[in-house]
Parts: sequence; structure tokens; C-alpha cells
Amino acid sequence: DAKTTQPPSMDCAEGRAANLPCNHSTISGNEYVYWYRQIHSQGPQYIIHGLKNNETNEMASLIITEDRKSSTLILPHATLRDTAVYYCIVRVVLPNSGYALNFGKGTSLLVTP
Amino acid sequence: DSGVTQTPKHLITATGQRVTLRCSPRSGDLSVYWYQQSLDQGLQFLIQYYNGEERAKGNILERFSAQQFPDLHSELNLSSLELGDSALYFCASSGGGGDEQFFGPGTRLTVL
Repeated sequence: DAKTTQPPSMDCAEGRAANLPCNHSTISGNEYVYWYRQIHSQGPQYIIHGLKNNETNEMASLIITEDRKSSTLILPHATLRDTAVYYCIVRVVLPNSGYALNFGKGTSLLVTP
Repeated sequence: DSGVTQTPKHLITATGQRVTLRCSPRSGDLSVYWYQQSLDQGLQFLIQYYNGEERAKGNILERFSAQQFPDLHSELNLSSLELGDSALYFCASSGGGGDEQFFGPGTRLTVL
């Protein structure tokens, strides 16, 4: 399984862009990068995913390096409600097409006024 | 609201007991996943069912079992409970392709 490495915590001022890095240097060619977040013991929430191209949706942008060894999640205008633990996950495909998500420790993002 | 429901919200029980956690997936989703979140282990994948059949297994103890019924709801059974089983248990569901998982609000289990 490809492991991911994220900083344990980050701060961001409200209204500024939050850039959350993730290292996944052992990712294999058919593994996707997923981002989820968890707000204070609520169920995790899907944010975005990608394979090799950059992706954008209404929540965030995902920038994946050309060698796919790292990625950055960008929240363009962080709000206080974006304070959460952010998980970068490389999707594990198990036998019989099971799609388990292996959550690591994530990055605790604190958005300050 | 993810569309995934879990009952009960909270459960307090004693060591050695057995409990059943219930999950109703989003309408149309065939896959159901169970995850455990404890303070020391973080979020861990337990098991996945797809349309009634077990599809993948993670770090699920032998004292734990799950099933998915014809109406696609799922139950997680935890028996011979120990103090260390105290945790948040999340259910998630996804469509057949398993791309995006939608998580329920969780069941908080406390074993005394």
C-alpha cells in the first residue's frame, strides 16, 4: 500500500488560501489520490480525488505533481468552517474490487479570524 | 446530510456484552463500509459489503461480524465487548464503482 505523509497541523487566516501538502512517493500508476476531511468527530466528508491531472470542484483544487509523488489540496478562500482534520488517502484496491480507505493521521487545519 | 443513516447515535454497555449497530446506505448505493475510530488507532477500515456479499476485510476482530441484508441496510455485530472497543463506528456507502464514499454520522460506543 502506498503510504502518505502529511504535516500534523497547519494554520491559515480566514479568507486566505489554505495549501495542504501530501507526500505519496510510493504511489503506483493506477492508484488515485483522495482527500477527505473530518470536522470534529462528524463522519468524514469527501472533498476531491485525482489520478494525474489537476482537478477542481466547488470545494477545492487538487494539484498533483508530474511524477505523482506528491500533491497539494488548495482551499482557495478558507473560512472558519473549514477547520477540520484533512486526510490525504491513496486508494487501496483490494481483491474482489474492494475500495478500502486507509486514513492516516491527517493534517489538523485551524482557520483563524 | 450525506444520506447515510446510523442508529443508535450513542450506546453505553458493559464488558462482555453484545451490541448491534445499524446502517442504512444512500438510496441506490450497493456498497457499505464499516470503519472504527478510536483515540489511539485513528480511523480504521473494518469491512465492506457489496450487494449483500462480503467484498473486502480490513482489521476486523473475530469478535466482530457484519452483514448486508436484501434491502441493502447493514448491521455490525460486536460481541464479548472489551473496554478497548469503545470508539466511534462509522458506516459509509458508495455506488458500485466505489469512488466516493459517503459517511454516516457515526455511532459512539462506550464500554464500561
